[in-house]
Amino acid sequence: AQTVTQSQPEMSVQEAETVTLSCTYDTSESDYYLFWYKQPPSRQMILVIRQEAYKQQNATENRFSVNFQKAAKSFSLKISDSQLGDAAMYFCAYRSGVTTSGTYKYIFGTGTRLKVLA
Amino acid sequence: DTAVSQTPKYLVTQMGNDKSIKCEQNLGHDTMYWYKQDSKKFLKIMFSYNNKELIINETVPNRFSPKSPDKAHLNLHINSLELGDSAVYFCASSQDFRLAGALYTDTQYFGPGTRLTVL
Repeated sequence: AQTVTQSQPEMSVQEAETVTLSCTYDTSESDYYLFWYKQPPSRQMILVIRQEAYKQQNATENRFSVNFQKAAKSFSLKISDSQLGDAAMYFCAYRSGVTTSGTYKYIFGTGTRLKVLA
Repeated sequence: DTAVSQTPKYLVTQMGNDKSIKCEQNLGHDTMYWYKQDSKKFLKIMFSYNNKELIINETVPNRFSPKSPDKAHLNLHINSLELGDSAVYFCASSQDFRLAGALYTDTQYFGPGTRLTVL
């Protein structure tokens, strides 16, 4: 069974500094998707970045980038130039490939709470 | 012009009652989901529907029944509510598409959540 592990329950970063949130996963599949979602106190889940497993290039979205290590099954999120508005809960998520019965799995990690210090 | 909307935002009810949460998306997506987020913020998928057909059905009690009247709606009905059902429930949608025989998924867009409190 696939699993997603976020080993850091809480992280802190100084404003304007860089922080890296870690995520590891376990799967026997070769084709899958990985996501980072942000959940601010408003509770809304917001997509930060996505990565297709078949792509070797690391995804980047403005100040957010990932370090995708497929062999190591690692998918860390780097936030550069941290801003106060980045403070939130961050979830790593895995979506499996489609089975022969047409189903797939979505699995979320337990989250990392990021605090941004002024 | 909200992309994914849920009603109600807050729901407080007594144990044993039956309640429904509605979800609607105006993005034209063909896949919709229900998630449950417990008090420890753990987020778990419950159901997923693609073109009104159930494609993911995780282990949830039979008291939870999703209903998809059309592609834009996925409602969640809960019978005989229990204390442990208290959580935030999120609806989401995405556009899955086929390319060269493979099924690809696009980003999931989440609703604002419904906080259910069972007394």
